[in-house]
Amino acid sequence: AQKITQTQPGMFVQEKEAVTLDCTYDTSDPSYGLFWYKQPSSGEMIFLIYQGSYDQQNATEGRYSLNFQKARKSANLVISASQLGDSAMYFCAMSPYNFGNEKLTFGTGTRLTIIP
Amino acid sequence: GAVVSQHPSWVICKSGTSVKIECRSLDFQATTMFWYRQFPKQSLMLMATSNEGSKATYEQGVEKDKFLINHASLTLSTLTVTSAHPEDSSFYICSAAGTGARSQETQYFGPGTRLLVL
Repeated sequence: AQKITQTQPGMFVQEKEAVTLDCTYDTSDPSYGLFWYKQPSSGEMIFLIYQGSYDQQNATEGRYSLNFQKARKSANLVISASQLGDSAMYFCAMSPYNFGNEKLTFGTGTRLTIIP
Repeated sequence: GAVVSQHPSWVICKSGTSVKIECRSLDFQATTMFWYRQFPKQSLMLMATSNEGSKATYEQGVEKDKFLINHASLTLSTLTVTSAHPEDSSFYICSAAGTGARSQETQYFGPGTRLLVL
């Protein structure tokens, strides 16, 4: 079974500062995928970034980067230069294997609030 | 690319009625679709996985006869909540994954459907 833990229920960050959202995981699968999604108040799930368990380099997508530490089983999301529009719920998720067409297990989420 | 739509976005119904929610992949073929349920201030919980042309696989604790899932084509999956009751009120969200370069890496989510059963 796979498990995702997000220990920060809420975070407040000053605009333009960087923010790190924590995510740890547990799985017995030899290969897996890690994902971060953003959910604004409208409810839609917006894909942010993906990291495969065998990827050597940390994934980056614009202002988002994933700090993948396999030995520690952590996959923290780093948002650089935060913006007001970044205020939302953020979910870390994982799937078995390295493909997104497997079912996702989600963490409990972190509510990020950007302060002007 | 990789757009998934859901219809309706909002539905209010009386207790005992059935409600059908559609999930469509608009620009790619979705070999697999997933249905999630999200209660207020909680995370997404997977209800079932549907593959085109075959029966859905339900997660433990999800009633198959209450939540009917049909994946009739590579672009459409439907979730029917039969004999809905107030406790079925929730946010239902689908996701789709399939062929295509980018879609292999992740699932793309629909905008969700808010169901309120009175």
